[in-house]
Amino acid sequence: GAVVSQHPSWVICKSGTSVKIECRSLDFQATTMFWYRQFPKQSLMLMATSNEGSKATYEQGVEKDKFLINHASLTLSTLTVTSAHPEDSSFYICSARGEGETLAGGPGSYNEQFFGPGTRLTVL
Amino acid sequence: GESVGLHLPTLSVQEGDNSIINCAYSNSASDYFIWYKQESGKGPQFIIDIRSNMDKRQGQRVTVLLNKTVKHLSLQIAATQPGDSAVYFCAENRDSGGSNYKLTFGKGTLLTVNP
Repeated sequence: GAVVSQHPSWVICKSGTSVKIECRSLDFQATTMFWYRQFPKQSLMLMATSNEGSKATYEQGVEKDKFLINHASLTLSTLTVTSAHPEDSSFYICSARGEGETLAGGPGSYNEQFFGPGTRLTVL
Repeated sequence: GESVGLHLPTLSVQEGDNSIINCAYSNSASDYFIWYKQESGKGPQFIIDIRSNMDKRQGQRVTVLLNKTVKHLSLQIAATQPGDSAVYFCAENRDSGGSNYKLTFGKGTLLTVNP
């Protein structure tokens, strides 16, 4: 199946610094990538949607100047948390979606998103 | 606002029993539903999906049932095993315009399998 990786898997940084998280689709081209944030014992909340070569679309309440997203190629998207603060500490998960039904199996699957393993960010 | 929610936040079962995890959704425009399994510290793992024009779909040891009349989704796991212990999320997929489909996740159910 389709594989999505994230780097780093965890990061600890000081308050006020910036952190970059990479999301890569390893064996398929991802026209669309999604970034989610998950706080402990909570669900995944979509932060933004990025299409290759265009600006990301942010969900309501997500600061675009704080969470910079770049999707420069069909296999790589990056999320940069700028001027990180302790309240930004969270589990950040990306997902990638390819074209049509070619990546999915079975008659019920389409537009499937493949998720990365997540990045644990801790801001001190 | 419209959302996807769950009836039970936790579920504890004995190994070998069948598990049923429920999910209620309110967005009648959603056309595709997915169940994910998430183990601690990992990303969501696809389990099974179903389109809105279906009411049942079966996989290996798992079955998803969709009742559009009452906007209810369920995941049935047969012969539950300790490795099934995880948080299970339902998600609805809806067209957000253009070619983008966004997922809205439910709150999650923690499944604990007792040996």
